[in-house]
Amino acid sequence: GPKVLQIPSHQIIDMGQMVTLNCDPVSNHLYFYWYKQILGQQMEFLVNFYNGKVMEKSKLFKDQFSVERPDGSYFTLKIQPTALEDSAVYFCASSLGQRTNERLFFGHGTKLSVL
Amino acid sequence: GQQVQQSPASLVLQEGENAELQCNFSTSLNSMQWFYQRPEGSLVSLFYNPSGTKQSGRLTSTTVIKERRSSLHISSSQITDSGTYLCAMERGSNYQLIWGSGTKLIIKP
Repeated sequence: GPKVLQIPSHQIIDMGQMVTLNCDPVSNHLYFYWYKQILGQQMEFLVNFYNGKVMEKSKLFKDQFSVERPDGSYFTLKIQPTALEDSAVYFCASSLGQRTNERLFFGHGTKLSVL
Repeated sequence: GQQVQQSPASLVLQEGENAELQCNFSTSLNSMQWFYQRPEGSLVSLFYNPSGTKQSGRLTSTTVIKERRSSLHISSSQITDSGTYLCAMERGSNYQLIWGSGTKLIIKP
């Protein structure tokens, strides 16, 4: 079936550095999402993105976060600068549309460890 | 309070037994999805089920909107079914999923 690929699967960086998480969504999908799951806690919505713009973001999507999809390539989540509380697994998802009969397809996640 | 509540929090079964997982939500919703999170953390989408019953192999999902609940039934459980099962409801128009805290399923041989 359709697959969402996330690269890398694990990233370790020092606090204060910049990190970019990459997502290769399903090829014909138009809507893209990032979710965050801190170890042992519930998964939470961060942001969704369509037509080059952020559609909606949660309070977890801090000013240090940004998303983009330049030239239809990877959908990226950039954190600059990183903080210790950014350590989590970040899941990317995509969907063809936003009608209620559409489903999200998730990647396997990128585990971010901020030291 | 929590808008999506899953039960039980954990479930231990013998291989071959059936599993019944519940998800209850406190507000109106557009749709409900079920996910399987493997022990190493990766996520697999199981069902997109706004209402009614859907079946895929040994898995059956039933969502009853007016009763604000959804269930996931796993028949003849296998050891490889072990992991965390998450339900998530979609509310609003921008696909913000509100997640339950998950049911950790352990299948023993």
